[in-house]
Amino acid sequence: DQQVKQNSPSLSVQEGRISILNCDYTNSMFDYFLWYKKYPAEGPTFLISISSIKDKNEDGRFTVFLNKSAKHLSLHIVPSQPGDSAVYFCAANTPMGAQKLVFGQGTRLTINP
Amino acid sequence: GAGVSQSPSNKVTEKGKDVELRCDPISGHTALYWYRQRLGQGLEFLIYFQGNSAPDKSGLPSDRFSAERTGESVSTLTIQRTQQEDSAVYLCASSSTRGNYGYTFGSGTRLTVV
Repeated sequence: DQQVKQNSPSLSVQEGRISILNCDYTNSMFDYFLWYKKYPAEGPTFLISISSIKDKNEDGRFTVFLNKSAKHLSLHIVPSQPGDSAVYFCAANTPMGAQKLVFGQGTRLTINP
Repeated sequence: GAGVSQSPSNKVTEKGKDVELRCDPISGHTALYWYRQRLGQGLEFLIYFQGNSAPDKSGLPSDRFSAERTGESVSTLTIQRTQQEDSAVYLCASSSTRGNYGYTFGSGTRLTVV
């Protein structure tokens, strides 16, 4: 049972434009959501997060939006840069504060010069 | 150390052999996790250690998989009688329970079973 889904395995965006990565979840008890970025041969690194009590969190070029009624979150990167090319994973915190994250399958983002 | 350290970085083993993967978490991080990523797949939870509590082993795929952690330090993930479907990148992460929900991951061990 895939509780966190990233339905787009890949995305290609022109440098300078906006990248939008999407994530859907099924468990309404999730209370915290995170995005991780992964380069080849490296472990994922934490990028940005959002609590379920908010609908938006912004950090520089990165903004995460949460739509609880739709059980959907998205990561916006603007403007996109070549160094943003990586695999992006969304993750959700399991209920009861257990701090066990459930990850999506990942979306490979390619920024074209 | 400054980050999560995993060893070896690469391991090629013959089908049927046992392997041990090691993880050194960030000092002071009470929580330690093992995940794996098979080719083309997402991150699959394996096991979670939190302080001295009993580990959450709910993600271990079979009884060939086991993991140990000594106190709040090193962890080893052992796979017995390896199979080709065990080939994956095994990722270890640690976190502090205070405030930040984000994990710090190691670079992983790429296991290839031939």
